[in-house]
Amino acid sequence: QVQLQESGPGLVKPSETLSLTCTVSGGSIRSYYWSWIRQPPGKGLEWIGDISYSVDTNYNPSLKSRVTMSVDTSKNQFSLKLSSVTAADTAVYYCARAGRYCSGTSCQYFFDFWGQGTLVTVSS
Amino acid sequence: DIQMTQSPSSVSASVGDRVTITCRASQGISSWLAWYQQRPGKAPKFLIYAASSLQTGVPSRFSGSGSGTDFTLTISSLQPEDFATYYCQQANSFPRTFGPGTKVDIK
Repeated sequence: QVQLQESGPGLVKPSETLSLTCTVSGGSIRSYYWSWIRQPPGKGLEWIGDISYSVDTNYNPSLKSRVTMSVDTSKNQFSLKLSSVTAADTAVYYCARAGRYCSGTSCQYFFDFWGQGTLVTVSS
Repeated sequence: DIQMTQSPSSVSASVGDRVTITCRASQGISSWLAWYQQRPGKAPKFLIYAASSLQTGVPSRFSGSGSGTDFTLTISSLQPEDFATYYCQQANSFPRTFGPGTKVDIK
């Protein structure tokens, strides 16, 4: 069973960079896409982006100028950096696996395994 | 971006009730839709993919249907553990987008 665990600071100052790491256990990171999704308190889910082990990335255009994702296959980890944060970036940040699922002859990626989430608060 | 809407935003129901939630995409997404369940304080749980395929281990009282722009999630007989918020999500194109959620609570 694949398990994911987020780690990183729970408090970040405005204008600084938020940095989170997701550690994958129970499976290799050398497959699938690996995603970051966030949820502001009391609100809905927002996809931030995803990355493959070969460092193919897809970012949400609304955040693209501030987002960098990376992967460390030796540690089975992937990471998120979000720069120039403001209070609007306060959220629970989830890492997730984007598993490949097929219908007929076509396939797409869905978020099938999630970490427990980590609350990141942006405040001075 | 493809906008996802859901209705109702909340529904009050009793154990044993049949509950139906609707999700609509702002443009056609074929069958590339998923449903997730989120209990308070927990991560979302993957229920259904490709609009109607049940993820392994998900109870058969959950079912999904639809294609194009209109989709439904049905819980045939609500159980106590089903009281949660449900989100739809399109996987047809980037950026991936979620619906605003439908909260199912106890009547």
